[in-house]
Amino acid sequence: DSGVTQTPKHLITATGQRVTLRCSPRSGDLSVYWYQQSLDQGLQFLIQYYNGEERAKGNILERFSAQQFPDLHSELNLSSLELGDSALYFCASSVAGLSETQYFGPGTRLLVL
Amino acid sequence: GENVEQHPSTLSVQEGDSAVIKCTYSDSASNYFPWYKQELGKGPQLIIDIRSNVGEKKDQRIAVTLNKTAKHFSLHITETQPEDSAVYFCAASMTTDSWGKLQFGAGTQVVVTP
Repeated sequence: DSGVTQTPKHLITATGQRVTLRCSPRSGDLSVYWYQQSLDQGLQFLIQYYNGEERAKGNILERFSAQQFPDLHSELNLSSLELGDSALYFCASSVAGLSETQYFGPGTRLLVL
Repeated sequence: GENVEQHPSTLSVQEGDSAVIKCTYSDSASNYFPWYKQELGKGPQLIIDIRSNVGEKKDQRIAVTLNKTAKHFSLHITETQPEDSAVYFCAASMTTDSWGKLQFGAGTQVVVTP
């Protein structure tokens, strides 16, 4: 158990809908990262937050957004969902951010029908 | 940006034999190289990592080597066991402007047969 928690574990929804994925980092970790894992794209970095502020952006679609709250938990919002958004979404956390070890949560499996 | 290539994509080994997975990276500024193991239905789990100021690191049956000049690093698993069967990912990160963003390789499916 990495200490990173993610909810929900599974999510099934329809195209056009909006969902929110939640992540709680390990105790003491200030950085949260979001990754998308799909069969054809592998593990792709989406976005990073450090102590409430956005620090780095990867290949995150404009339909996706994230935030980190004062209690350091983070939410990833996916809107106008398309079939191709079906994937595993992982959250990882680290103490600070500069090449620190990242610990991954168990992931949320999203299926868009 | 950084690009990480990983080979082979699948690796089948007999129990007790060694397994080697190789990765190359493109950006010489990368300075942190973790390896993750992902079992079916679970999140990636860090198994070992190495920083650019070290050439080799070992932890029991697992070792990682780094060649900065050639920009490649490798994972070595000795005396493989069935529980080593999983997908292994290498990754690279640089500190200059990416704040720890990991660029992952495509993964290697390792199957250890008894």
